[in-house]
Amino acid sequence: DAKTTQPTSMDCAEGRAANLPCNHSTISGNEYVYWYRQIHSQGPQYIIHGLKNNETNEMASLIITEDRKSSTLILPHATLRDTAVYYCIVRGRWQGAGNMLTFGGGTRLMVKP
Amino acid sequence: EAQVTQNPRYLITVTGKKLTVTCSQNMNHEYMSWYRQDPGLGLRQIYYSMNVEVTDKGDVPEGYKVSRKEKRNFPLILESPSPNQTSLYFCASSLREGRDEQFFGPGTRLTVL
Repeated sequence: DAKTTQPTSMDCAEGRAANLPCNHSTISGNEYVYWYRQIHSQGPQYIIHGLKNNETNEMASLIITEDRKSSTLILPHATLRDTAVYYCIVRGRWQGAGNMLTFGGGTRLMVKP
Repeated sequence: EAQVTQNPRYLITVTGKKLTVTCSQNMNHEYMSWYRQDPGLGLRQIYYSMNVEVTDKGDVPEGYKVSRKEKRNFPLILESPSPNQTSLYFCASSLREGRDEQFFGPGTRLTVL
């Protein structure tokens, strides 16, 4: 799996957009970018994934640069319940090893009133 | 409601006393796995199962056993727990390997004295 680099922590004001960056300069052509989040000691929660096109779902948007070396997860209107650790994961879709997810350090997002 | 359930949520036990942590999913998923999460080490996969009666080792299988007799259940067995197995455990499932979204259970916090 390609290595990812994320800021250790970020703050965001409630109601504003939270933009979480991720660098993955060694990503290969068949690797996807996945985002999960973990609210304090709860089970990780899938957010979104993409290959090269921008993606949007009910939770967030994912913007992937044209060279695919970095991406940004956007939470359009952050709420206090979005306070969590956000993990950017790069992996091939058919990874083997039982679909194992490798979580790095992640970004601790603090949404403040 | 689609979900992964784990029991117990919290357990304090003593060295050598066999225990089982249950995991059940109601989504008819083929793939299930167990992770443990420790501070500074992230999530590490213990065992996984691609389908009924098909299991394989993850990254850290020593000291653990699993079984998959039914599609919905994937119990984690510690035959002789030791203090280094004190951890937060998560069960996860997905429709099949390569599917994008993994659903995680709420976690089981295990302390072995």
